[in-house]
Amino acid sequence: DSGVTQTPKHLITATGQRVTLRCSPRSGDLSVYWYQQSLDQGLQFLIQYYNGEERAKGNILERFSAQQFPDLHSELNLSSLELGDSALYFCASSSRDRGPYEQYFGPGTRLTVT
Amino acid sequence: AQKVTQAQTEISVVEKEDVTLDCVYETRDTTYYLFWYKQPPSGELVFLIRRNSFDEQNEISGRYSWNFQKSTSSFNFTITASQVVDSAVYFCALSESPETNFGNEKLTFGTGTRLTIIP
Repeated sequence: DSGVTQTPKHLITATGQRVTLRCSPRSGDLSVYWYQQSLDQGLQFLIQYYNGEERAKGNILERFSAQQFPDLHSELNLSSLELGDSALYFCASSSRDRGPYEQYFGPGTRLTVT
Repeated sequence: AQKVTQAQTEISVVEKEDVTLDCVYETRDTTYYLFWYKQPPSGELVFLIRRNSFDEQNEISGRYSWNFQKSTSSFNFTITASQVVDSAVYFCALSESPETNFGNEKLTFGTGTRLTIIP
């Protein structure tokens, strides 16, 4: 168990809908990262937050947005969903204060768009 | 731009054999970090090791060992005496140094190697 929690584990929704994925980082970790794993794109970085502020953006679509709240949990919002958004979405957390900067991943949310 | 190449898409070996997973990376940074993650059939990503670009010492952890060679931009992973529980997809990843690029610690992943251990 990495200490990173993600809800829900599975999500099935229809095209055009909007969903919210939630992530709670390990205790004390200030950085949260979102990644998407799909068959055609592999594992891709989407966005990073550090202590509530956006730090880095990757290949994140404009239909997607994220935020990190004062209690450090994070949400990834996906809107106007398309079939191609079906993927496994991972959240990871890390801590600069603890030195090594390893990113510990949550169990992922499997999103299926029908 | 950073890039990680895992040329071996799938590998199958018989239990107790040794197996090496290859990883070649590209980066313009002089300071960077390399990682290996394991993704078992259950789907989670499990951290295995982190290496910084200044530490070229090989590392051994039980049956796992890693060989980092800056001269060939490679960070290979060897499993000795493989076991069925080693069956998984293994990812190599690269990140810039947080010291030189604060806040940008995103991981660039390779495409993964699917390892199957045959009992």
